[in-house]
Formats: sequence, C-alpha cells, structure tokens
Amino acid sequence: QVQLQQSGPGLVKPSQTLSLTCAISGDSVSSNSAAWNWIRQSPSRGLEWLGRTYYRSKWYNDYAVSVKSRITINPDTSKNQFSLQLNSVTPEDTAVYYCARGVEMATSWGQGTLVTVSS
Amino acid sequence: EIVMTQSPATLSVSPGERATLSCRASQSVSSNLAWYQQKPGQAPRLLIYGASTRATGIPARFSGSGSGTEFTLTISSLQSEDFAVYYCQQYNNWPLFGGGTKVEIK
Repeated sequence: QVQLQQSGPGLVKPSQTLSLTCAISGDSVSSNSAAWNWIRQSPSRGLEWLGRTYYRSKWYNDYAVSVKSRITINPDTSKNQFSLQLNSVTPEDTAVYYCARGVEMATSWGQGTLVTVSS
Repeated sequence: EIVMTQSPATLSVSPGERATLSCRASQSVSSNLAWYQQKPGQAPRLLIYGASTRATGIPARFSGSGSGTEFTLTISSLQSEDFAVYYCQQYNNWPLFGGGTKVEIK
C-alpha cells in the first residue's frame, strides 16, 4: 500500500518560494507506471492540479498553465521522494497542498499541508 | 478550456435513501472521468474511474455512469459515513475538477 508523507513550512512570505516535500513508501518515485503529483485546494480556486513528475526511461514534468512560469517539481531518487517549489507566491497561493500518486487520477494522497502566504 | 460543472451544489438526503449527483463537461471527455469523496479535514478519496469502474475497496452502493459530457454518481442507499463532498475530475485533457456537491443529512 502506497503511503505519502508531506513536510514543509506552513507559512511563506509574499514574493518568496513555497517548498514542500513528499516522501514515498510502498512504491518508487522511479516507477515506470506511476506519476507523482501536486494538487492544491482553496475556497476560491477549488481543487487545482498543479503538476506532475514521472519516469518513462527518462524524467518528464507536466505543469498547469496557471502556474507554469513559477513551478518546479523534482524527483529525489536517493530519498524516494519528490518536491514542489512555487516561486513568487502571493496570498492567492494560500491553500492546502496535497501530493498524490496517479497517472490520470489520484489514487493515493498525502495528508495535506495548509500553506498560508502572509507577511 | 474544459469546464466541469457539478449539480446540485448541495443535496439533502435521508439515510437509506438514494443520492444522484451530476457532473457535466463543457466538451466531451469520453469516459475519462473520476469521482472522489472528501470528508472534512481529509484528502479526497478516489471512488470511481473510467466513469464507471469502482476503485479498490469501494462499496458496491457507489456506481458511476455516463460518457461524453454527462455523468452521474449514484449512491444507492446512503450510509452515515457517506455524508461528504463529492468531486468529479476529467482526465481527457489536463486534469480538472468540478466544484463539488455536498451531500448532507436531511
């Protein structure tokens, strides 16, 4: 059974970088049949799929158009985890952030991290 | 851009009754549609994918139907643990969620 454990700060200042990590157990970040995703949820934007990383003989990343210029998702094979970096955050980026496993739908989810963007 | 619209926003149902939730896509997503359940303070849980296939461990009282632009999630006999918010999500293009339907106790 796949388990995902999120970590990272819950408060980020405007214009700074939001950074979260998702540790994987029960699967490998390098799996050829999985994808590793970040999804966020806020009252104003609902559930929003931000992006994913996956390995198919080489690494690929896909990002939502809404955050494409600000987002990076990186795998860390040495620690079997993946990370989210979102640059130049504003209060609009305040949300609960989830990591999730799934190629087209999210089959396993992390516990969620409330990230507040405020000075 | 595809828009996913769920209705109603809130559904009041008595325990043991049937609940029917709708999800409409602004353009065809074929059968590339999933349903999730979310309870307060928890992450969403996958219920249905491929419009009608139950995910592992999901009770048979949950069923999905539809294709193209019109989809339905039916809960045949509501149990106390089924009162929650339900979301549809299309994956024919970039994954996109609907706004949700809250199923509350009548």
